[in-house]
Formats: sequence, structure tokens, C-alpha cells
Amino acid sequence: GAGVSQSPSNKVTEKGKDVELRCDPISGHTALYWYRQSLGQGLEFLIYFQGNSAPDKSGLPSDRFSAERTGGSVSTLTIQRTQQEDSAVYLCASSLARGLSSYNEQFFGPGTRLTVL
Amino acid sequence: SQQGEEDPQALSIQEGENATMNCSYKTSINNLQWYRQNSGRGLVHLILIRSNEREKHSGRLRVTLDTSKKSSSLLITASRAADTASYFCASGPIYGGSQGNLIFGKGTKLSVKP
Repeated sequence: GAGVSQSPSNKVTEKGKDVELRCDPISGHTALYWYRQSLGQGLEFLIYFQGNSAPDKSGLPSDRFSAERTGGSVSTLTIQRTQQEDSAVYLCASSLARGLSSYNEQFFGPGTRLTVL
Repeated sequence: SQQGEEDPQALSIQEGENATMNCSYKTSINNLQWYRQNSGRGLVHLILIRSNEREKHSGRLRVTLDTSKKSSSLLITASRAADTASYFCASGPIYGGSQGNLIFGKGTKLSVKP
């Protein structure tokens, strides 16, 4: 596709339910990132996938959060037993990663706005 | 944790004026990037400056980097109402490993009045 896509664009759920958020990165991009942004705040790093390497999960706020990246492409962020404080915009980004410690331009999707009632 | 800090948090100017936003970071970096965000949705990359560069231009944007002070500034010249958005700096710290995640600041909300 032309850019990073995310689905759904909006998700309203009840406290305690599980949700899955999907990200389709730009074809050929080996690096994929998930961020969370609360209202009026900056971006909070959640998890980073790079090729076939083990993901960097250091930003996941609790064990209720998990993410997978299948076939080096599509990624799913799962939040189990959602809480009201999980309400935020979840942003996905991808980039071409060349070599170690190479911070290239990240291309962002439009985000998923999650509301936990 | 967020290592980038932008200031001011909010800036309101008239169309045609210049807007300057500053960013500070804490650790040694590989590069620093500036992004723009409209309406709380996806971010758009504006410009990247490497640690061995001091100044970079792109259209009406000018970015400076002072690694001795661990700071950067973004200047938008001849601002337009369409420049109204939030602007974030993002630093790529040198960990010596393979981590590739940028660290974003909290952003400056720019409002350009026509």
C-alpha cells in the first residue's frame, strides 16, 4: 500500500474486554513500532520489531499488553482485560532500518482511538 | 521515559511571523528528527539532522543542533495558518546496541492566526 494503515480507526469497548489493534506497515519496511498517545501528551513507546530479531518490549506498560508481527509484515497489538487508563490513541509506524542503531524516518499510520468505558 | 522536552509547550503567533520551537534531550544521539501532528492523529516526518550536522534547511524549515548543549531548535519562517499543528522532536539515542526506537518529546502546540 501507499502508507501505513491501521484498523479500526476507532474502538469503543467496555472495561475488562480484550481488544486487538492491527497495523499494516509499508511494504519492505523491516522495522515496526507501536506507540501510545494519551490526550494532549507526547508519544509513549510500547514495542519495536526489527526483522526476525526478538522484539524490544521494554515499553509495554503491563503484561496485559502484547504484540505480534506475523511474516515480518502485519502486526497486532492486543490489550487484555482493558482498563479505563488504556484509553488513548495507539499509533503504529514503520521504517527502513539499515544496520544497527540506525534511526531512520518513521512513517506513521493514522492511529486507532481506543475508548474504554 | 520521555527524554525529549520541547519548549514552549504552546505558541500562538500571527500569520507571516516566524515560529521557533526548542527541544532538549538527555543522552548522546545518532540523530534528531522533527515531526508534525495534526488533530491528534498520525505524525508526519519533517526533517532529520544527524549528530555531526549543525544546521539543516528544508523549504521554510530550519533546524539547528547543538550536541554540546543537547538541544535543537526548529524555526518555521513566514508561518501560515496551515502550519497550525503540534510539533515533536524525536531523538535516536546511541545505546551501542540494535535498538531503533526514537524517544519523542511532549510536543509544542503551534497556533498560527490568520
